[in-house]
Amino acid sequence: DTGVSQDPRHKITKRGQNVTFRCDPISEHNRLYWYRQTLGQGPEFLTYFQNEAQLEKSRLLSDRFSAERPKGSFSTLEIQRTEQGDSAMYLCASSLGVAGGQPDTQYFGPGTRLTVL
Amino acid sequence: LAKTTQPISMDSYEGQEVNITCSHNNIATNDYITWYQQFPSQGPRFIIQGYKTKVTNEVASLFIPADRKSSTLSLPRVSLSDTAVYYCLVGDMSRGQNFVFGPGTRLSVLP
Repeated sequence: DTGVSQDPRHKITKRGQNVTFRCDPISEHNRLYWYRQTLGQGPEFLTYFQNEAQLEKSRLLSDRFSAERPKGSFSTLEIQRTEQGDSAMYLCASSLGVAGGQPDTQYFGPGTRLTVL
Repeated sequence: LAKTTQPISMDSYEGQEVNITCSHNNIATNDYITWYQQFPSQGPRFIIQGYKTKVTNEVASLFIPADRKSSTLSLPRVSLSDTAVYYCLVGDMSRGQNFVFGPGTRLSVLP
């Protein structure tokens, strides 16, 4: 399977614990995006990378959220000191990263379902 | 970021053609229109993308009028497995601009 993969698919944690999610994009894709989705809502953009560079992070929900893409391939999203309100589906997407004027389609992974008890 | 408006829900029967219309009055010159399908507990799946006129692939057709202020996703002969949430998004894809997802349209296909 050459699509976007995410690990783990499900995570249950206790309030106050730290969690880290991994995303492996489609291999030739330069851009990688993180979203959060709560029940009944559309995905909410969090941050995105162009290769190793994090080009947009103002939408990260708080300073407890951080993301990295150290070698321009896989990415991790960490949530520190989790709260019950962090319970959601965390989605990763990737895109090729094309030059101006052309569409740059995002392809999504299956998501990681986080439950904070 | 162009805001989109689409119906919250729609019902259809198997074998019918379903048309979901999305309004995007403030679409910008460089914006593309993209539709995704999402099943419960899965990530959104890309369906179709277009800039103007008509685009067709093996899954759906996308109709965009000349003023580009709206678009219609057409699903031919739906089946029960087409029951899902459908999202319309507008943005300049080339700049890595983030999408703004609305609540989408929940399509229910009945037998």
